[in-house]
Amino acid sequence: DAGVTQSPTHLIKTRGQQVTLRCSPKSGHDTVSWYQQALGQGPQFIFQYYEEEERQRGNFPDRFSGHQFPNYSSELNVNALLLGDSALYLCASSLDPRGQGYFGPGTRLTVT
Amino acid sequence: SQQGEEDPQALSIQEGENATMNCSYKTSINNLQWYRQNSGRGLVHLILIRSNEREKHSGRLRVTLDTSKKSSSLLITASRAADTASYFCATNNFNKFYFGSGTKLNVKP
Repeated sequence: DAGVTQSPTHLIKTRGQQVTLRCSPKSGHDTVSWYQQALGQGPQFIFQYYEEEERQRGNFPDRFSGHQFPNYSSELNVNALLLGDSALYLCASSLDPRGQGYFGPGTRLTVT
Repeated sequence: SQQGEEDPQALSIQEGENATMNCSYKTSINNLQWYRQNSGRGLVHLILIRSNEREKHSGRLRVTLDTSKKSSSLLITASRAADTASYFCATNNFNKFYFGSGTKLNVKP
C-alpha cells in the first residue's frame, strides 16, 4: 500500500511566478491537509480539504489556493511567489478530518 | 498563537538514557499528536492522545496529557542513536492542526 506521495520533490522558481504542487493521499483517505515548513521551524497549517471543499484554513494569504479532486488527490497553488515562500511543503492525509495525519516526503520549493 | 510549543528546544543524551520532551498549548483541543522528523524530511506519526485520555503507551514511548495545564509530555525510554531527530507536538482544534517549533534530540552512541 503506497503511502502519501508528493510531486515534484524539488522545485526552483523565480519571484512572481506561480507554482502547483501535487499530493496523492494514502489509499482510503479522503482528507488532505497542506503545511508549509520553513527551515528550522515547525509545519504551519495552510488548509484542509475534505469532500472536495476547503474545510479549514490557517493564516495564509489568498495567494495560496488549493483543490481536491474526486479521487481525493490534491493540488496546492501559490501565485505571485515571494522569496519568503521558500520552504518544505508537506501534504498529510487522514481517514477523517480529526484523525492521525500521514505525511508525504514533501516538496522543497526554492524561490530565487 | 495557538501553536504548541516544545521544551527543551534541543536535548543531547547518551544512548540508553531516557529522553523527555514537553509541549504546551493555548486552546482547547480534540486531540494531541506527536511526530518525528529526520533531517527535514516528511513527518512520521508516533502517537495520538485524545483530550479525554491522560496517558498512552506505544513501545518505548509514553505520552501524558494534562488538559487542565494544557500540556503534554513525550518520554522515550532506553534511547537509541536512531532516535536522533526533531520531535513535534501537534494540537488538533476542530480540524485545525498546529505544530510547535520542535525539540531536536541528539542521542550519542
